[in-house]
Amino acid sequence: QSVVTQPPSTSGTPGQRVNISCSGSTSNIGNNFVYWFRHFPGAAPTLLMSRNDLRPSGVPDRFSGSKSGTSAFLVISGLRPEDEADYYCAVWDDRLSGPNWVFGGGTKLTV
Amino acid sequence: QVQLVQSGTEVKKPGASVKVSCKASGYRFTSYGIHWVRKAPGQGLEWMGRINPDNGHTKYIQKFQGRLSMTTDTPSRTAYMELTNLTSDDTAVFYCVRDPSFDYWGQGTLVSVSS
Repeated sequence: QSVVTQPPSTSGTPGQRVNISCSGSTSNIGNNFVYWFRHFPGAAPTLLMSRNDLRPSGVPDRFSGSKSGTSAFLVISGLRPEDEADYYCAVWDDRLSGPNWVFGGGTKLTV
Repeated sequence: QVQLVQSGTEVKKPGASVKVSCKASGYRFTSYGIHWVRKAPGQGLEWMGRINPDNGHTKYIQKFQGRLSMTTDTPSRTAYMELTNLTSDDTAVFYCVRDPSFDYWGQGTLVSVSS
């Protein structure tokens, strides 16, 4: 059970907009940058969003990120069939028991 | 261009150890840390730890303390992840990933543990 929670699945139809959430606490999302990754089974994950809302070069502007309080969000606009993948958030957690990077449990997007 | 190239698939028996390599190119090796992340079947991504190639400092998550070792060899620009006393629960794909933003990932190394 991750300290950062994502919905296990979400779905949309081509052209739609989907919103994937990542919920945490003040020890992680509330005070640190959130990163988002896309993972196609059988391939390596790729960085989709850096530092809450920065798109690495090559990532289409259909993808956007935001953060509010202890939650972060990845929004995919103009959904395409090739967006079907698993999406993960990651954040540094400042917990007193031992600071670590933590990944959300992942959200499977079906298009 | 930045590349992280990992060693190939490993098949191990329970109780054995595995050492996965990750050869970096396209950037100054000692300027960026290396994370190791694993993906077990049916599970999500799990951060295992990080090493600073400049000074060798490591940080591991508690669940791997005592079984996990990360090292680097600067002349060969290679990072290593060794996991000992393997069980079937360690069957996973292991990735090396460049710090600080997890911007470049190795292709992954499948480690299969079975008797």
